[in-house]
Amino acid sequence: AQSVSQHNHHVILSEAASLELGCNYSYGGTVNLFWYVQYPGQHLQLLLKYFSGDPLVKGIKGFEAEFIKSKFSFNLRKPSVQWSDTAEYFCAVIPNILPGGGNKLTFGTGTQLKVEL
Amino acid sequence: DTAVSQTPKYLVTQMGNDKSIKCEQNLGHDTMYWYKQDSKKFLKIMFSYNNKELIINETVPNRFSPKSPDKAHLNLHINSLELGDSAVYFCASSRGLAGGHYEQYFGPGTRLTVT
Repeated sequence: AQSVSQHNHHVILSEAASLELGCNYSYGGTVNLFWYVQYPGQHLQLLLKYFSGDPLVKGIKGFEAEFIKSKFSFNLRKPSVQWSDTAEYFCAVIPNILPGGGNKLTFGTGTQLKVEL
Repeated sequence: DTAVSQTPKYLVTQMGNDKSIKCEQNLGHDTMYWYKQDSKKFLKIMFSYNNKELIINETVPNRFSPKSPDKAHLNLHINSLELGDSAVYFCASSRGLAGGHYEQYFGPGTRLTVT
């Protein structure tokens, strides 16, 4: 079974600072990768996804992530954060093997980002 | 337009009661899911249905019973509620089977508090 690690549990940044949130997964086969964001009191929204192709993927709101297969990593980045980026960020991984749909989306434990003015 | 909706948004009940949470998606998706988010924000899959057929059934107590009357609806019934069932329950849907190139769309969540 796969697992996902997010190393930073709480991150506090000032506005305009650069952001990098780490995500590592353990799984030996082909995976699809996601970053979701959960704003306070709201549901999860997809920030970006990687299925195949260019390992540098761009998402909404200026976020991007890079898939490094050799490191089993999918780190999230943003060059300049805003106060409105304050939220919980979840990395998620799903293997792409079982044709019957039994693949499970596994989430990391989340990173709470607080952006201060 | 709400893509994945859940009712109720908040549910406060006493131990031992039976309650249901409803989920509907208007995206035309074939697959629906239930997730549980605990107090530490950890999200874990509980069930998955594809075209009304149960695909994933994680090791959850059998007090939890999902029901999918059609592919746009997935309800969650919980019998004999316990304190440990307190959590936020998220419904999600995707266009195809999990593991394909399909992202999952999440509902707003139902915060269940058992007292």
